[in-house]
Amino acid sequence: EPEVTQTPSHQVTQMGQEVILRCVPISNHLYFYWYRQILGQKVEFLVSFYNNEISEKSEIFDDQFSVERPDGSNFTLKIRSTKLEDSAMYFCASSERTSGGNEQYFGPGTRLTVT
Amino acid sequence: LAKTTQPISMDSYEGQEVNITCSHNNIATNDYITWYQQFPSQGPRFIIQGYKTKVTNEVASLFIPADRKSSTLSLPRVSLSDTAVYYCLRMDSSYKLIFGSGTRLLVRP
Repeated sequence: EPEVTQTPSHQVTQMGQEVILRCVPISNHLYFYWYRQILGQKVEFLVSFYNNEISEKSEIFDDQFSVERPDGSNFTLKIRSTKLEDSAMYFCASSERTSGGNEQYFGPGTRLTVT
Repeated sequence: LAKTTQPISMDSYEGQEVNITCSHNNIATNDYITWYQQFPSQGPRFIIQGYKTKVTNEVASLFIPADRKSSTLSLPRVSLSDTAVYYCLRMDSSYKLIFGSGTRLLVRP
């Protein structure tokens, strides 16, 4: 069964550093998403991406965040200058939008720890 | 965005059927109801989705009454490995998922 993959599984970085989280969505999917989950809290939507541009973003997704699909397979989330409060699990998801609904497949996540 | 409301937690025993009810009073005409499952330190996993009446797959059943103001996820004969958080979500036209706190299901031996 095809699956979304994410690397690295765990990233430790110092405050103020840039990090890039990588995702490989399911190959025939066209819609891509990033979510995050701070420990013990809800899963929060960050951004959706389609046709090489952002479709929608949340208030969390400020100027410190950016997304890119640099090639035909990868989808990346960059945090330009990390803050302590960026520590969380970051989940990538992808979907193949259909007329009947939109099942999103999530990756295993990247645990980001900002020290 | 219209919210969904579901119990914070539920307990069950192996082999029992578990029904988790979700309330979504302000659901819009074009919205779907979607259920996800999440294990600790893992990404959410799609379980089932429906618009109205009954949907069944190999994992669960979803019952949505005619007024669509609520839905019930039914897990037949749960096992210990079904211990997880279950989320009821309203899928609107934007297709982003808005997660609530979910229902923590604990299955006991």
